[in-house]
Amino acid sequence: SQTIHQWPATLVQPVGSPLSLECTVEGTSNPNLYWYRQAAGRGLQLLFYSVGIGQISSEVPQNLSASRPQDRQFILSSKKLLLSDSGFYLCAWSRQGAKQYFGPGTRLTVT
Amino acid sequence: SQKIEQNSEALNIQEGKTATLTCNYTNYSPAYLQWYRQDPGRGPVFLLLIRENEKEKRKERLKVTFDTTLKQSLFHITASQPADSATYLCAPGGRDSSYKLIFGSGTRLLVRP
Repeated sequence: SQTIHQWPATLVQPVGSPLSLECTVEGTSNPNLYWYRQAAGRGLQLLFYSVGIGQISSEVPQNLSASRPQDRQFILSSKKLLLSDSGFYLCAWSRQGAKQYFGPGTRLTVT
Repeated sequence: SQKIEQNSEALNIQEGKTATLTCNYTNYSPAYLQWYRQDPGRGPVFLLLIRENEKEKRKERLKVTFDTTLKQSLFHITASQPADSATYLCAPGGRDSSYKLIFGSGTRLLVRP
């Protein structure tokens, strides 16, 4: 069966520090991968998606970037965090069935 | 720009009643629409998908309707239980192979015992 992992589960980082969040999927190949951010009490905002290795599409211009170095690995990065980057970051995958499977999320607090 | 609207106020109902949640969209012609459940501190979980050529879809106590003329989807939970208390998100999807979704902000459902 397929599983999706995210780490770390929680993270507290100072403003201006770098960020690296990792997401890996097991049990499937060539999935579509997505990064979302959810601010407190708000809906999910799609940040990036990828339909294949090295193929990244950005939905919202900001100081974040994403990379997909392997088929089932998706990384979200920032060189310098802002206070507004705080939130709940979710990774998800899908195949041709269109429904998405979400990971457990990373709670990021920028201080 | 595309806009997805869900009632931001919590829906508070008595156990055993039917909960009805609304999702409206504008500036969009989705090929399908999905509904997800999200519990606090957790990622959303897929519930149902309905395609543009389908009027209604059912799964156990859940029912979804999709009216492309009204640009609206209704999500019903019959015989609601306290365990149904959660936030429900609607997410219309497009026609390309990215399968990317635009999520509404969700409606919180509270079922009183």
